[in-house]
Amino acid sequence: DIVMTQTPLSLSVTPGQPASISCKSSQSLLNSDGKTYLYWYLHKPGQSPQLLIYEVSNRFSGVPDRFSGSGSGTDFTLKISRVEAEDVGVYYCMQSIQFPRTFGQGTKVEIK
Amino acid sequence: EVQLLESGGGLVQPGGSLRLSCVASGFTFSTNAMSWVRQAPGKGLEWLSVISSGGGGSTYYADSVKGRFTISRDNSKSTLYLQMNSLRAEDTAVYYCAKGWYSYGLWGQGIMVTVSS
Repeated sequence: DIVMTQTPLSLSVTPGQPASISCKSSQSLLNSDGKTYLYWYLHKPGQSPQLLIYEVSNRFSGVPDRFSGSGSGTDFTLKISRVEAEDVGVYYCMQSIQFPRTFGQGTKVEIK
Repeated sequence: EVQLLESGGGLVQPGGSLRLSCVASGFTFSTNAMSWVRQAPGKGLEWLSVISSGGGGSTYYADSVKGRFTISRDNSKSTLYLQMNSLRAEDTAVYYCAKGWYSYGLWGQGIMVTVSS
């Protein structure tokens, strides 16, 4: 199975400041079709998880442009340019290049 | 409205069975792969299973549930199922159905399953 490792596991951010989460996979997520199967989800308290970023860097419908994803191969990063109060929750990266799909451990983001 | 609505959760004894349902609305259910993901108390998200679109000829499972859980679908009812047998305490979790094969842009509200004597 592909192991997804996120750092840090928790983050306390002042509103308006940037935040960054790293995700490393134990195998390359670049497929022979040219796509990289790395996704980012946010699980807000009391809500269902929501898709933020698909295929490394594409924002899902309705996701604010303060969220951005980057990376390649085995190293990926989610950045929030200016954290807002509504961004609190647990962020997960997930790989979909092979079964079983695997999530990172999650990064809990809180507001200072 | 585009949504997924789970049902069928509850309290079950170890070794027991439960069938979760997920009713889809607002999109063409039959042309979409569907998945199940769970979150145990205090833990992160765990992918469980996926079923392909159409007749659902392709299914995959996490090792933790393989041989005990069965994913299926009834396109005439726009409903996804998860038959859970031989339940264990460690299966206690909130179970989510989600639309998609590679990524999950639509999730249900989640349903709690508690396995305890």
